[in-house]
Amino acid sequence: DAGITQSPRHKVTETGTPVTLRCHQTENHRYMYWYRQDPGHGLRLIHYSYGVKDTDKGEVSDGYSVSRSKTEDFLLTLESATSSQTSVYFCAISFDSSYEQYFGPGTRLTVT
Amino acid sequence: QQQVKQSPQSLIVQKGGISIINCAYENTAFDYFPWYQQFPGKGPALLIAIRPDVSEKKEGRFTISFNKSAKQFSLHIMDSQPGDSATYFCAASDNYGQNFVFGPGTRLSVLP
Repeated sequence: DAGITQSPRHKVTETGTPVTLRCHQTENHRYMYWYRQDPGHGLRLIHYSYGVKDTDKGEVSDGYSVSRSKTEDFLLTLESATSSQTSVYFCAISFDSSYEQYFGPGTRLTVT
Repeated sequence: QQQVKQSPQSLIVQKGGISIINCAYENTAFDYFPWYQQFPGKGPALLIAIRPDVSEKKEGRFTISFNKSAKQFSLHIMDSQPGDSATYFCAASDNYGQNFVFGPGTRLSVLP
């Protein structure tokens, strides 16, 4: 998985609680991305980062925030989890604007 | 206009046969078209990618055919093997990879 780890790998949480997912890379890649994967929707971009402290919204950013204080770490936060945020979350990295993205192993999040 | 359509939703092929998955897009600004392979419980893995300046790209048993005028591209898997059984996603991107759009996926089963 191209030097990408995600933590936790599985999480069950209750509606209304905050949740933070972590993506860690050892490749020193500039770009990092958060996606969610749901049946019938493929992968949808939540947020991405093009450098330390530089982030922008993706297609489905409502209810999510991100932070990147170091090149190697990209955090995804659900401020108040809802059942609609039950999904599998993938982090991806890219060295530059050459477009090749490499994905982590994923985090399965269940919001009850 | 951001959508990428993918068909079929599922595909069953005999060992040694040809698997064909089709994708179509609307946004003419897309200029990068990758295919990803995903096994259960794993993150998507980049399989092969093409840019619109060529009509075909081949890597081993995998070939992308690209028709710019029709805004369509397809993945051909020659001599399909049971180990190819996975979910395949097409994707399209523009703007230096900051807007990655995935198709909904095709579940391929190759029978021994």
